[in-house]
Amino acid sequence: KAGVTQTPRYLIKTRGQQVTLSCSPISGHRSVSWYQQTPGQGLQFLFEYFSETQRNKGNFPGRFSGRQFSNSRSEMNVSTLELGDSALYLCASTTLGPRDTQYFGPGTRLTVL
Amino acid sequence: KQEVTQIPAALSVPEGENLVLNCSFTDSAIYNLQWFRQDPGKGLTSLLLIQSSQREQTSGRLNASLDKSSGRSTLYIAASQPGDSATYLCAVLSGYSTLTFGKGTMLLVSP
Repeated sequence: KAGVTQTPRYLIKTRGQQVTLSCSPISGHRSVSWYQQTPGQGLQFLFEYFSETQRNKGNFPGRFSGRQFSNSRSEMNVSTLELGDSALYLCASTTLGPRDTQYFGPGTRLTVL
Repeated sequence: KQEVTQIPAALSVPEGENLVLNCSFTDSAIYNLQWFRQDPGKGLTSLLLIQSSQREQTSGRLNASLDKSSGRSTLYIAASQPGDSATYLCAVLSGYSTLTFGKGTMLLVSP
C-alpha cells in the first residue's frame, strides 16, 4: 500500500507570493490533516478535512486555507507569503475513526525569501 | 487548551543503554496518545499508539505507558542502538483528527 505523498518536496518563494501544496492520502483514508513545523513553535495543527469538509481549524491567519477533493486528495494554499511561513508542512491521513493511527507524509519544505 | 511537554529536550547515551523519555499533557480528556520518530528533514513515523483505555503498548524494544489520570506517558527504549538516534515526539489526540505535539526529545546514541 502506498504511503502518504506530498508534492512538491521543496519550494522556494519570495515574500508576497502565494503557494499551493498537495497531499495524497493512503488509499481508503478519508481524513487529511495539515501541520506546520518550525524550530521555534514545533508542530502546530493547521486544519483537518473529512469527506471534502473542513472539520477543524487551528489558530492560523486566514492566509492559510485548504480544500479536499472527492478522491480525498487535499491541497493547502498560503497567500501573501511572509518570512515566518518558512517551515516544513506535513500532512497526515487516517481512516474513519478519530482513534486511528495517523500516517504522515515526508513533508514539503517551504523557504520564503 | 491542551499542552504537551517532553522531558528531556535532548539526551545523549552510549550504545546498549536502556532509556526513558517522558511526556506530560495538561488535559486528560484524550482519545489516544502516539509516539513518533522523526529523522532530520524527514516526516514522522508512528512508533506506538495507546488508546485512552489502555495502559501500555509494546513493539520490539519499545514500550510506551500511559497514565491518563496523571497526564503522563513514558517511552522506554531497551538496549539502545545508534540507529535509534532521532527526535522522538509525543502527541495526544483530543478531538477529530487533531494532534497536539510536544517539542520532542532529540536522542543521540553513540557507538
